[in-house]
Amino acid sequence: GQQVMQIPQYQHVQEGEDFTTYCNSSTTLSNIQWYKQRPGGHPVFLIQLVKSGEVKKQKRLTFQFGEAKKNSSLHITATQTTDVGTYFCAGPKAAGNKLTFGGGTRVLVKP
Amino acid sequence: GAVVSQHPSRVICKSGTSVKIECRSLDFQATTMFWYRQFPKQSLMLMATSNEGSKATYEQGVEKDKFLINHASLTLSTLTVTSAHPEDSSFYICSAEGQIDEQYFGPGTRLTVT
Repeated sequence: GQQVMQIPQYQHVQEGEDFTTYCNSSTTLSNIQWYKQRPGGHPVFLIQLVKSGEVKKQKRLTFQFGEAKKNSSLHITATQTTDVGTYFCAGPKAAGNKLTFGGGTRVLVKP
Repeated sequence: GAVVSQHPSRVICKSGTSVKIECRSLDFQATTMFWYRQFPKQSLMLMATSNEGSKATYEQGVEKDKFLINHASLTLSTLTVTSAHPEDSSFYICSAEGQIDEQYFGPGTRLTVT
């Protein structure tokens, strides 16, 4: 079945530094979605990418969808303590609207 | 933005009893809702897809007679954990589907079965 993998599983970042987390799907995706879950909270929808090679920015967050539509990345610049949380990517299953979530990247920020 | 509520946020019940969890979309109509289970520091595991006015679709390995889902209206889906056992203790989260197939999650329900 479809698998969505995320690396790294954990990311320890010094406040102010940049980092990137990666998402890889075993199958081509019609779109990729990113969610953020704060500690003790619930996932919150961040963005959806649809086009091959698409790049979208949300303030310090840059999302990219690979040319083959099988991978994606999230790059955060000048990390802040508010960026703490787990970032999940998710892609729709082959049929229907169900999402397959990656394992998530847990981000910890050192002040 | 789209808001989804869940009730209760936390419940403790005795083994063998049933627990009902409600998921409501507050400011939009949701034809499709989803129920997930999340273990500590792990990803979301889809349990079932709830469609308004029809039977839920369960993922492989999820017992439909144990996890009863009802989606009676465009704003409400319920999950009933029947004859709960300690191994059912978990964080249950619902989500409602948006217009571009994105999902809006409820705050979750932490179930503890003693």
